[in-house]
This record gives sequence, structure tokens and C-alpha cells, in this order.
Amino acid sequence: AQKVTQVQTEISVVEKEDVTLDCVYETRDTTYYLFWYKQPPSGELVFLIRRNSFDEQNEISGRYSWNFQKSTSSFNFTITASQVVDSAVYFCALSDGRAGTASKLTFGTGTRLQVTL
Amino acid sequence: DAGITQSPRHKVTETGTPVTLRCHQTENHRYMYWYRQDPGHGLRLIHYSYGVKDTDKGEVSDGYSVSRSKTEDFLLTLESATSSQTSVYFCAISYTGGPGEQYFGPGTRLTVT
Repeated sequence: AQKVTQVQTEISVVEKEDVTLDCVYETRDTTYYLFWYKQPPSGELVFLIRRNSFDEQNEISGRYSWNFQKSTSSFNFTITASQVVDSAVYFCALSDGRAGTASKLTFGTGTRLQVTL
Repeated sequence: DAGITQSPRHKVTETGTPVTLRCHQTENHRYMYWYRQDPGHGLRLIHYSYGVKDTDKGEVSDGYSVSRSKTEDFLLTLESATSSQTSVYFCAISYTGGPGEQYFGPGTRLTVT
């Protein structure tokens, strides 16, 4: 069975601080995909990134970066110079990589990030 | 914008009554999903569909049924609502199967009293 663990339930930072959200996963599949989603206070779920199990290169998108380490089964998310608009619940998720079948996501329980002035 | 709408957006119902939630998409994607979101559990998959009349169970399917008679609509039915089904329900679509990210609708907040 697949499992995703987000150890930090809540994180509070002051604006401009860097913050890292941890995600650890368990799977027996050799091919799998990892995702991060953002859920702002308005409630919608926003897709941020997808990473496959064969690509361990770090990814950077503006102030966001992701560190995938297969050796430790982790896919951590860092926000650099956080802003109040980053306040949200962030979910890490995992799916198997079987093409042609439904993408069944297993989600972590989420990390609530609060960024204050 | 993935063109996903959910109706109703809010509903309060009594224990024992049937409830149907509707998910509608405008882009003819093959794969559709229903999740529920509860504090401390994240999102959990209820049912999913991989085509018209093709559906299967997810992790928390007990007490729920689904139907998909048209590509654009995926219905979730609670045959006899219970208080434990009070939750926020999200519909999602994916453009492709296994590897594909999912895009979510705005959610339906259901309260069972």
C-alpha cells in the first residue's frame, strides 16, 4: 500500500523567511509520481508540481523549489522569501505510474503554513 | 482552467436521506475522481471513473455509489446519508491516466445532521 507522511502539521514563519515542508512516502512501485498541491484559505486545490520517480533533479520555479531524494523517499518543498500569500495548506501526494489506468492519488494529511508580517 | 463545476456547492441534509452530488466537466476528459477531505486525513479517494459506465472503488467507498452515463458528468450518491459523511467533497479530472496530475473542482461542503 502507498503512504504519504507530512510530519509538520502546522508551520508559522515571518514574511521573508525561507520555509521547507517535508514529505516522506512509501511505495513498492518502481515507477511512481509525486505531486504537491496548494489549498489557500478560499478552499480550492491548486496543482503545483509533478515529478516522476526517474527524475531526481531538483526543480525551481520562482520562489518555489523541490528536492526529490529517492534514497530517503522524500520530496520536500521549499519556499524562499515567504510571503503572506503563501499562507495555505500544502498537500503532498503519490500515485503509481501505470499509463492507461486511472491516476489514484494518495495524499498526505497536509501542512498548514501561516506567514505573518 | 480545467472547466470543472460541482453542484450543489453547499448542502445540509438529514441522516438517512439520499444525496447526489454532481461533477460536470466541459473538456471530455476520460478520467474523473471523487475525493473527500476531512481534518487529519487529507484527501481520500472514494470512487473513480475511466470512461462512460466504467467506474471503480477507491479507498473509502463504503456508503457511496457513483454513476457516469455521459463523459461530462460524474455523479456521487450517498444512498442513506450518515453524520460520518459530513465532509468536503472534491471532484477531479486528469487529462491522462497513471502519470497525470489531477485538476480539482471547487468542492461541495456537505453537512449531515
